[in-house]
Amino acid sequence: AQKITQTQPGMFVQEKEAVTLDCTYDTSDQSYGLFWYKQPSSGEMIFLIYQGSYDEQNATEGRYSLNFQKARKSANLVISASQLGDSAMYFCAMREGLNSKLTFGKGITLSVRP
Amino acid sequence: DVKVTQSSRYLVKRTGEKVFLECVQDMDHENMFWYRQDPGLGLRLIYFSYDVKMKEKGDIPEGYSVSREKKERFSLILESASTNQTSMYLCASSRRTSEETQYFGPGTRLLVL
Repeated sequence: AQKITQTQPGMFVQEKEAVTLDCTYDTSDQSYGLFWYKQPSSGEMIFLIYQGSYDEQNATEGRYSLNFQKARKSANLVISASQLGDSAMYFCAMREGLNSKLTFGKGITLSVRP
Repeated sequence: DVKVTQSSRYLVKRTGEKVFLECVQDMDHENMFWYRQDPGLGLRLIYFSYDVKMKEKGDIPEGYSVSREKKERFSLILESASTNQTSMYLCASSRRTSEETQYFGPGTRLLVL
């Protein structure tokens, strides 16, 4: 079974609207962490947001928030007030236990329309 | 700011050549990683190093080796490049603390002819 599932192949959103990018995960560890990264067309991976499995509050970083639903094993990224510069590929990733390694999903392409 | 640099942005090599991809980080991170990224497959871990001269195989180590002689430098070696190793290669580093994010280099696009 895939550890990280990102099933949306491509998403479109109008500028200034909010968009949700889906991520579900599979782990038997009680302690784990979830990360979201952005990859623009230039190729560099940019860290956006982190959620620990024991964090009671949903993580937020500026226009990014993480809708963490532990029972459903989902960690969706919400981008508010989309900007043209948000057009990129977005990856969800998971760290399990004390392991420093990350497992990545296949990514979602987001296109922001003017 | 953390900086991770990779020796080349673009590289073209011939089948059978030995290829070295270099990665350097300037934040004294213990962990360093090599990934390859292919369309539709996301990032897959090739090798991981948690200290100088220490390494662990990732999910797809076949056809690759690594070297970490100094803490700041992690090299990926393709002993005999093949066309199926044409890909984007990303290096990353992080502190040993598991909650820390990984910081990525700009990537190397390798084409093997």
